[in-house]
Amino acid sequence: DGGITQSPKYLFRKEGQNVTLSCEQNLNHDAMYWYRQDPGQGLRLIYYSQIVNDFQKGDIAEGYSVSREKKESFPLTVTSAQKNPTAFYLCASSILKVRGPGANVLTFGAGSRLTVL
Amino acid sequence: EDKVVQSPLSLVVHEGDTVTLNCSYEVTNFRSLLWYKQEKKAPTFLFMLTSSGIEKKSGRLSSILDKKELFSILNITATQTGDSAVYLCAVEFRYGNKLVFGAGTILRVKS
Repeated sequence: DGGITQSPKYLFRKEGQNVTLSCEQNLNHDAMYWYRQDPGQGLRLIYYSQIVNDFQKGDIAEGYSVSREKKESFPLTVTSAQKNPTAFYLCASSILKVRGPGANVLTFGAGSRLTVL
Repeated sequence: EDKVVQSPLSLVVHEGDTVTLNCSYEVTNFRSLLWYKQEKKAPTFLFMLTSSGIEKKSGRLSSILDKKELFSILNITATQTGDSAVYLCAVEFRYGNKLVFGAGTILRVKS
């Protein structure tokens, strides 16, 4: 079955450590996204990528980095520069080949919960 | 600044009740409004609305968009405990490739 796989599901980190969250999709989607979800704040966009080897900052990119070396993969690194990294992180993808409404309908992974100790 | 506001933030109902969830928006270059259901982890897509006044329906769920007053509602009739979830509203823009999400409505259906 096609879908998005995120790992790990749960991750604990000490302050000052960088961690990398994995996101893999087999939907053949062009675009991939990383969102952060905090209670009462909805989903906020961290980074997105529409094509291999290219990505753009979202609304809250500071303290995060990404790469898009393969179409299927879009890992997110939470660096020590991120001041409040404890959150639920969702990876998503969209087909983008559709013109008009719906080009950005997202398919989500199951998420990774990061806790900083 | 683009804004998507959902209300209420949370509500508790009993099985069989009907609920109405609201989503209002103030954005430039509106293209469509999307509703998602998030039960435990991954949000799942419910509806995409592009035109005013045309109801989208799926079983006990329905949704409608008012582009003049800039809001959408999601109705759930004869609620069941399986409807308990966070319901997310998002706006798609005509230009650019991202969605802006509201904070979500937490729905709990008691048996």
